Amino acid sequence: DTAVSQTPKYLVTQMGNDKSIKCEQNLGHDTMYWYKQDSKKFLKIMFSYNNKELIINETVPNRFSPKSPDKAHLNLHINSLELGDSAVYFCASSQDPPLLTAGVRNEQFFGPGTRLTVL
Amino acid sequence: QKEVEQDPGPLSVPEGAIVSLNCTYSNSAFQYFMWYRQYSRKGPELLMYTYSSGNKEDGRFTAQVDKSSKYISLFIRDSQPSDSATYLCAITGNQFYFGTGTSLTVIP
Repeated sequence: DTAVSQTPKYLVTQMGNDKSIKCEQNLGHDTMYWYKQDSKKFLKIMFSYNNKELIINETVPNRFSPKSPDKAHLNLHINSLELGDSAVYFCASSQDPPLLTAGVRNEQFFGPGTRLTVL
Repeated sequence: QKEVEQDPGPLSVPEGAIVSLNCTYSNSAFQYFMWYRQYSRKGPELLMYTYSSGNKEDGRFTAQVDKSSKYISLFIRDSQPSDSATYLCAITGNQFYFGTGTSLTVIP
């Protein structure tokens, strides 16, 4: 059973389009994340939700909008796609949010990634 | 200054070599230190986790933390071609910060 799954795995689209990426985790975790990984492999956090509540909202264009319908799902919708949005987007989950006291409950489990190419 | 700085590499070593991967961090409040391994076209996966200064061993892997210097290392002994991957340090306190990753290639 896949712990953190994402769909689609690959997404090729034209500039200006709107697209969504879906993420589901079956680990019973409370916290979920979206990361963007560029061609140089740098993992940049975008958003995090804890129990469906937004707790981390990094400096990301407001064309990106996360939605968490329940604890097990965190979707990412992107409006008006631009060339610079091309990257691999990873979903992740952890038992607890990043806290000084969380310890190993901070461990993040990653999905397989969605490779987005904007033409 | 970034919260976490990682030696960028890439590293290319012969099979059997000892590999040293390093990160420095800026905030002494950070408590927990992790190393993730990411194979090509896969998501990162946790390799090792530690929270105290000193060494932690797991098979061929040793994670070392020096809180006084704010320096963490991952050592790989008897490196294997299957160790070829990108290694990311991660540090957590009230946020979760990843290093930029070091690409390692172990040549048979």
